[in-house]
Amino acid sequence: DIQMTQFPSSLSASVGDRVTITCRASQSVNNWVAWYQQKPGKAPKLLIYKASSLDSGVPSSFSGSGSGTEFTLTISSLQPDDFATYYCQQYDSYPRTFGLGTKVEIK
Amino acid sequence: EVHLLESGGGLVQPGGSLRLSCAASGFTFSNFAMTWVRQAPGKGLEWVSSISGSGRTTHFADSVRGRFTIARDNSKNTLYLQLNSLRADDTAVYYCAHGWNAHDYWGQGTLVTVSS
Repeated sequence: DIQMTQFPSSLSASVGDRVTITCRASQSVNNWVAWYQQKPGKAPKLLIYKASSLDSGVPSSFSGSGSGTEFTLTISSLQPDDFATYYCQQYDSYPRTFGLGTKVEIK
Repeated sequence: EVHLLESGGGLVQPGGSLRLSCAASGFTFSNFAMTWVRQAPGKGLEWVSSISGSGRTTHFADSVRGRFTIARDNSKNTLYLQLNSLRADDTAVYYCAHGWNAHDYWGQGTLVTVSS
């Protein structure tokens, strides 16, 4: 199984900060990585697919990059609505696997 | 507008069974694979199972293979997950999600609690 190591597990940041979250795959997943945002009690929301493609309606402050085994999600300017938990997922092979999540909290 | 609505969750004893349903609308259901993802209380997301649009191809996580069955009724636009031999560590919110890969639509989830 492909392991997705996501870090940091949590971070504190202020509105307006630039935030970067990283996911490292245990083997190459090509560009088949998605990023999700989840708020308490809600279903996950797709932000990024194929490593760097922004899903429809997602603010351009979100961006994804990377290939092979190293991937990043960047929020260029953190907004109040962005405080949430973020997950990466690989869909290169089965079983699909998620990172353990990064909780973005208000500093 | 795409809408996914799960149902069928509840409290069940260890060793028991439950069938979850996911009613889909807003897209041509038979054209798309569907997936179940679960989330234990306070934990992260875990992929459970996926099924092709035709229903002929399925995939399962090792943790549920042989105990859970995925199926779909394209005439009813409904996805199912049959949960058998349930264990305490199956306790989770179960989400249905659109597609094989990156999931652009999710239901609101249904809670399964396995406890005596």
